[in-house]
Amino acid sequence: QQQVKQSPQSLIVQKGGISIINCAYENTAFDYFPWYQQFPGKGPALLIAIRPDVSEKKEGRFTISFNKSAKQFSLHIMDSQPGDSATYFCAATKYSGGGADGLTFGKGTHLIIQP
Amino acid sequence: DVKVTQSSRYLVKRTGEKVFLECVQDMDHENMFWYRQDPGLGLRLIYFSYDVKMKEKGDIPEGYSVSREKKERFSLILESASTNQTSMYLCASWDSLNTEAFFGQGTRLTVV
Repeated sequence: QQQVKQSPQSLIVQKGGISIINCAYENTAFDYFPWYQQFPGKGPALLIAIRPDVSEKKEGRFTISFNKSAKQFSLHIMDSQPGDSATYFCAATKYSGGGADGLTFGKGTHLIIQP
Repeated sequence: DVKVTQSSRYLVKRTGEKVFLECVQDMDHENMFWYRQDPGLGLRLIYFSYDVKMKEKGDIPEGYSVSREKKERFSLILESASTNQTSMYLCASWDSLNTEAFFGQGTRLTVV
């Protein structure tokens, strides 16, 4: 049972373009949705996160859009740069539980930004 | 800076061997996790622990066990390694105050 579905599996974007990665979740108990970024040879690191009380959160060039009724959320990378080339994972957990049960991850998106 | 250290970056073990993967965190976090990462499958939770000597099964615990004798150390044990356990193993420590997971660099295990 895949509780967080992520697409696309891979994505190629030209430098300066907008990268968009989508996720959908099934468990309505989830109320915290982070995105993690992973570079080769490194563990994933938190990029940005959102709770369902807002529909959008922006940090620099990175924006999460959240649609509670559709149970979907997406990551937008504006003005994509070669340094953004990495694997991106969406995730979900129960914020009220402090995330103590762990994060449920999507399968990941391998993003390549072409110069 | 939070630091999560995994004892080995690369391991090669033979089928049937008992394998220990060690993880240490330096931020006094209560919750720690073991994930395995496989291409096209993302990160899947094997086991987690929310206190010393406490453990909970994740989504794919079969063939694995864990040990947490001290708060800072969380070990993953493969009782009898099999080739289908060849994978990247990631340990994480959970900052419940800031709702953030801190990952180690991973151990790439190959079972031959």
